[in-house]
Amino acid sequence: DAGVTQSPTHLIKTRGQQVTLRCSPISGHKSVSWYQQVLGQGPQFIFQYYEKEERGRGNFPDRFSARQFPNYSSELNVNALLLGDSALYLCASSLAGQGLQPQHFGDGTRLSIL
Amino acid sequence: DQQVKQNSPSLSVQEGRISILNCDYTNSMFDYFLWYKKYPAEGPTFLISISSIKDKNEDGRFTVFLNKSAKHLSLHIVPSQPGDSAVYFCAASADSGTYKYIFGTGTRLKVLA
Repeated sequence: DAGVTQSPTHLIKTRGQQVTLRCSPISGHKSVSWYQQVLGQGPQFIFQYYEKEERGRGNFPDRFSARQFPNYSSELNVNALLLGDSALYLCASSLAGQGLQPQHFGDGTRLSIL
Repeated sequence: DQQVKQNSPSLSVQEGRISILNCDYTNSMFDYFLWYKKYPAEGPTFLISISSIKDKNEDGRFTVFLNKSAKHLSLHIVPSQPGDSAVYFCAASADSGTYKYIFGTGTRLKVLA
């Protein structure tokens, strides 16, 4: 079975641009969460979507937005990119929306802002 | 304000010995804790979890201990194997209805053959 897949794997953007990152969850998984991991830090929660509804939001500015599609795939959008947005963006999926089920992570999208 | 702290950035252990990774937290509302392992260029992999109603959970070579009064948890790996060499993150949640986990900064474990 395919795991969580993220695209693209690497991306280079310049300040002020906009970016869209994509995530396909494991088949049958209805919950998708997004995390940002800056070098030397642990992953930081950005959003969770379950059954196409936002279930949770972390402390990120409104420049960050996300959505989940009927097939449970998800997109993370970041507008007006800043140098500090350079990070590894991780997507994770799980069967249920509650936090007690283990999450399965993708390998991430490495975003570099010049 | 770092609510989940892993104060040891790295740890080296001989193969076959015990590895002990520590994690401290400050938020007394945290009631669910997890450990993840991360290899380079891969996403984190779930290892083991524990809820605040327990003080110990075992899964094979991995055991997690929770000391709620000290706001401390630890992961024990026995025996350690070279394939265990990775970065280990602890994570905590105060809301079991979401995946809003707070992660520590990680401990890099190196198991020496």
